[in-house]
Amino acid sequence: QQPVQSPQAVILREGEDAVINCSSSKALYSVHWYRQKHGEAPVFLMILLKGGEQKGHEKISASFNEKKQQSSLYLTASQLSYSGTYFCGTEIAGGGADGLTFGKGTHLIIQP
Amino acid sequence: GAGVSQSPSNKVTEKGKDVELRCDPISGHTALYWYRQRLGQGLEFLIYFQGNSAPDKSGLPSDRFSAERTGESVSTLTIQRTQQEDSAVYLCASSLQAGGRRNEQFFGPGTRLTVL
Repeated sequence: QQPVQSPQAVILREGEDAVINCSSSKALYSVHWYRQKHGEAPVFLMILLKGGEQKGHEKISASFNEKKQQSSLYLTASQLSYSGTYFCGTEIAGGGADGLTFGKGTHLIIQP
Repeated sequence: GAGVSQSPSNKVTEKGKDVELRCDPISGHTALYWYRQRLGQGLEFLIYFQGNSAPDKSGLPSDRFSAERTGESVSTLTIQRTQQEDSAVYLCASSLQAGGRRNEQFFGPGTRLTVL
């Protein structure tokens, strides 16, 4: 089942903070975050695994609430380069499809 | 090293024709994924390969879609009797391994398919 992302879109001024949320109705094994700029391929940001392990870029922070099956991506002191569409991809605990199920995305626009 | 490459970058075809889309994953990546992205939409999982086998074909939208992978490298996604609703960007991704522990997926630039 497709995870739900919120908000659908957000406009920020450079330097402001943003939080992007991803929630699932299924028990999750992992949550992946990707950013896609217009006309480009998605680029990996972070993986959060059940049990607390994380791996990703140092400047990106995120959380994974296993009880609520929710993940949040925190973008602080945003830069113009942060603009793009952010997708969360989820992997259901206990097996199932080995491809990620992605949300519809959150469009982030950073204005100078 | 080289990233994931896909060809062609753009494909325009007529309704009813067959198309083949190619993906060259990063060398050494045993896992390969195909996704479809319709305009303004998220990524829709199609199929996953671990080595040359496809343990999960559940995402293929119809029997007109098929995929194969040879030599644990190149993969081809074939769409037969294309329909206008097949128009989308088809993205390929690879990762070091899958099954049990998930690794970051490296995406190719995609093939933009337009069915007239």
